[in-house]
Amino acid sequence: GIQVEQSPPDLILQEGANSTLRCNFSDSVNNLQWFHQNPWGQLINLFYIPSGTKQNGRLSATTVATERYSLLYISSSQTTDSGVYFCAAARSGNTPLVFGKGTRLSVIA
Amino acid sequence: NAGVTQTPKFQVLKTGQSMTLQCAQDMNHEYMSWYRQDPGMGLRLIHYSVGAGITDQGEVPNGYNVSRSTTEDFPLRLLSAAPSQTSVYFCASSYERHVNTGELFFGEGSRLTVL
Repeated sequence: GIQVEQSPPDLILQEGANSTLRCNFSDSVNNLQWFHQNPWGQLINLFYIPSGTKQNGRLSATTVATERYSLLYISSSQTTDSGVYFCAAARSGNTPLVFGKGTRLSVIA
Repeated sequence: NAGVTQTPKFQVLKTGQSMTLQCAQDMNHEYMSWYRQDPGMGLRLIHYSVGAGITDQGEVPNGYNVSRSTTEDFPLRLLSAAPSQTSVYFCASSYERHVNTGELFFGEGSRLTVL
């Protein structure tokens, strides 16, 4: 099946800093999503982005499907951005989403 | 509109006991699924369903049973609990019937401990 790898595994930022999280996938995809798991364990859908670029406030994401990677940008980070960011991808056909192991982000004041 | 609702949020079982984790969604979503989350492992798919009466296995189905008698409900049954099933379980749903094309929305999770 498809392999999904995220980097870096851990990231510590000062409040106000910018960051880029990366997701590499091993096959062409029909579906690529980014999720944020907050410190209370809740999983929130950030972006549905199998290709192209999207922005939502301080967060934006870009997927370059031909080169098999996606990037999540966080600008002017806040302590509430802390948590684990997951990338999930699915190939064409009737195959479910496969999750990467996540990037754990800690934003300190 | 409550979204995806999971019950119970916490449960402690003894080895060999059985139980059912409940999942309900009120968004008329076709696709529903169960994941388990273990430290350092990300989320792994247990079972999924693309509509009432249709279920299929995911990556880690052993020890679990599911059924989908209605669009709204997708319960996960542990037949004989084992310590290896200690985990956090998430139910997720999507409007799209095809598993790989829709946005996925998660419940708040159920933390299960098997002693």
